[in-house]
Amino acid sequence: AQSVTQLDSHVSVSEGTPVLLRCNYSSSYSPSLFWYVQHPNKGLQLLLKYTSAATLVKGINGFEAEFKKSETSFHLTKPSAHMSDAAEYFCVVSDIRGKLIFGQGTELSVKP
Amino acid sequence: NAGVTQTPKFRVLKTGQSMTLLCAQDMNHEYMYWYRQDPGMGLRLIHYSVGEGTTAKGEVPDGYNVSRLKKQNFLLGLESAAPSQTSVYFCASSYSPRTTQSYGYTFGSGTRLTVV
Repeated sequence: AQSVTQLDSHVSVSEGTPVLLRCNYSSSYSPSLFWYVQHPNKGLQLLLKYTSAATLVKGINGFEAEFKKSETSFHLTKPSAHMSDAAEYFCVVSDIRGKLIFGQGTELSVKP
Repeated sequence: NAGVTQTPKFRVLKTGQSMTLLCAQDMNHEYMYWYRQDPGMGLRLIHYSVGEGTTAKGEVPDGYNVSRLKKQNFLLGLESAAPSQTSVYFCASSYSPRTTQSYGYTFGSGTRLTVV
């Protein structure tokens, strides 16, 4: 069965410093992986996706993620945090029947 | 093109009351899903449908029923609401498992339900 584990429930960074949100996945086949973002009291927005093409995936707003099969990881990074990045981030894997399985979420706080 | 529309956006229920959440999509998607979001637990699948007239249980189906009488609509019902059902509910849709694996879902904006 597919699953994802987000290793941090909360991450706090200062504006202008790098962001790292960690995600490990478990899958019996080559997975599709996604990162979604949810700003306070808003819906879910797709940040980026990995679908077995390039292992380094670029998304919106300067975010990127690297698929590492040997480490079963799909960590989300951004070189320089902005105040507007404060939100909750979900790592998601698609199972073989097309259902999305969500991680527990990581809340990102950005300090001025 | 409205995408996925959820109604209502907010609702407060008393314990034991019933209600129906409506999800409507105008993209001719076959697959529709209902999730609930709770702090620290991500989104968990309640029920889903792979086409008109079909429904199936997800991870947390107890206390909920669903119907998909029309392709574009997916209804989530609470027959006797409980405080444990206080949550944010998201509907989502997709054309097929292959498109989900390539593009993810199209999500609605959510319904915030409080049961007192």
